[in-house]
Amino acid sequence: EIVLTQSPATLSLSPGERATLSCRASQSVSSYLAWYQQKPGQAPRLLIYDASNRATGIPARFSGSGSGTDFTLTISSLEPEDFAVYYCQQRSNFTFGQGTRLEIK
Amino acid sequence: EVQLLESGGGLVQPGGSLRLSCAASGFTFSSYAMSWVRQAPGKGLEWVSAISGSGGSTYYADSVKGRFTISRDNSKNTLYLQMNSLRAEDTAVYYCAKPRSIQPHYHAFDIWGQGTMVTVSS
Repeated sequence: EIVLTQSPATLSLSPGERATLSCRASQSVSSYLAWYQQKPGQAPRLLIYDASNRATGIPARFSGSGSGTDFTLTISSLEPEDFAVYYCQQRSNFTFGQGTRLEIK
Repeated sequence: EVQLLESGGGLVQPGGSLRLSCAASGFTFSSYAMSWVRQAPGKGLEWVSAISGSGGSTYYADSVKGRFTISRDNSKNTLYLQMNSLRAEDTAVYYCAKPRSIQPHYHAFDIWGQGTMVTVSS
């Protein structure tokens, strides 16, 4: 079973700063990795699919990179609405990472 | 508008059963595999189960295998999750989710329902 490990668990940044979130797979998932954003009381929202493709309606400040076992979600300049929890997910057994909480510093 | 609407959640005693439904609209339901994903209070996302578009293939997380059954009625555009032998650790919000692609076993879920709460407690 493939396990996804996200780091850091919590990231404290200010609006306007750059955020870099990591997701590492226990074995290769090729480019089959997705990223989601979840705000309190809401369903998750798909941000990135196949490692680097933005989903419909997702702002250009969100970008994804990586392949194999190491992946990164980058938010180039944080907006107030970006503070949320972020999850990665892989295709093999659909498992999610444990999440990274992005909080306002 | 593409939409998923779950129902059927509630309070159930340990060992009891519950059936969740997810009504789909705005897309060709039978073309897409569908999944259930849950989230325990204050915890992360856990994929639970998936079913192919035809219903001929089903997949389960180890944590629910043998207790939960996923099914679908393509004539009614509805997805189901039959949950038996429920445990306290099954307490969660249950979401149904649609993948963005009709590729087999595709994981990126672009449409989610609003979720339905299941509480297992005596």
